[in-house]
Amino acid sequence: GENVEQHPSTLSVQEGDSAVIKCTYSDSASNYFPWYKQELGKRPQLIIDIRSNVGEKKDQRIAVTLNKTAKHFSLHITETQPEDSAVYFCAAPRRGGGADGLTFGKGTHLIIQP
Amino acid sequence: DVKVTQSSRYLVKRTGEKVFLECVQDMDHENMFWYRQDPGLGLRLIYFSYDVKMKEKGDIPEGYSVSREKKERFSLILESASTNQTSMYLCASSWDRGDSPLHFGNGTRLTVT
Repeated sequence: GENVEQHPSTLSVQEGDSAVIKCTYSDSASNYFPWYKQELGKRPQLIIDIRSNVGEKKDQRIAVTLNKTAKHFSLHITETQPEDSAVYFCAAPRRGGGADGLTFGKGTHLIIQP
Repeated sequence: DVKVTQSSRYLVKRTGEKVFLECVQDMDHENMFWYRQDPGLGLRLIYFSYDVKMKEKGDIPEGYSVSREKKERFSLILESASTNQTSMYLCASSWDRGDSPLHFGNGTRLTVT
């Protein structure tokens, strides 16, 4: 099955600066890479995802990049704001071909310093 | 908007009790999942179901079972609760099995004493 490693476990940035969270995966057949945001006391919610046929996807201040050769993908948040403070999880298909649910990284606690 | 509803937000049970966690989704999704969330360990898959009466083990199924009698409802069962099952339990649903977004419920925080 898939193994997903996520770094760092905690990231503190000044408001207005950029934040980058990185994940690696093990199964070269994996084809779908979502990112979830979980605010304190709330459910995880999808914020952006990317499929293996593209290298980058953007949605306003957030972007995800994918390097299939190196088997890693990253979440980029620009112009960070206090409401970006949360735990972020990356994920990949549990069995690389796209079946049987998602395997999650252990999470990154993003802290935005005022 | 997809709605996944978990019947209890907080639950306190005693060691050895049989515990039922209920989850209902309203989007006619084929696939439903139970995850467990623990600090520092992320979300780990317990069981999932891709059709009524079908179930598959996830990565940590020991001590748990599931039931899916109707498409919209997926239940997690702790046959004999133990203190190491104290955790946050998250139900999710999706329209595909692995390469589509998961829609999560609000979670049930279970404490076993």
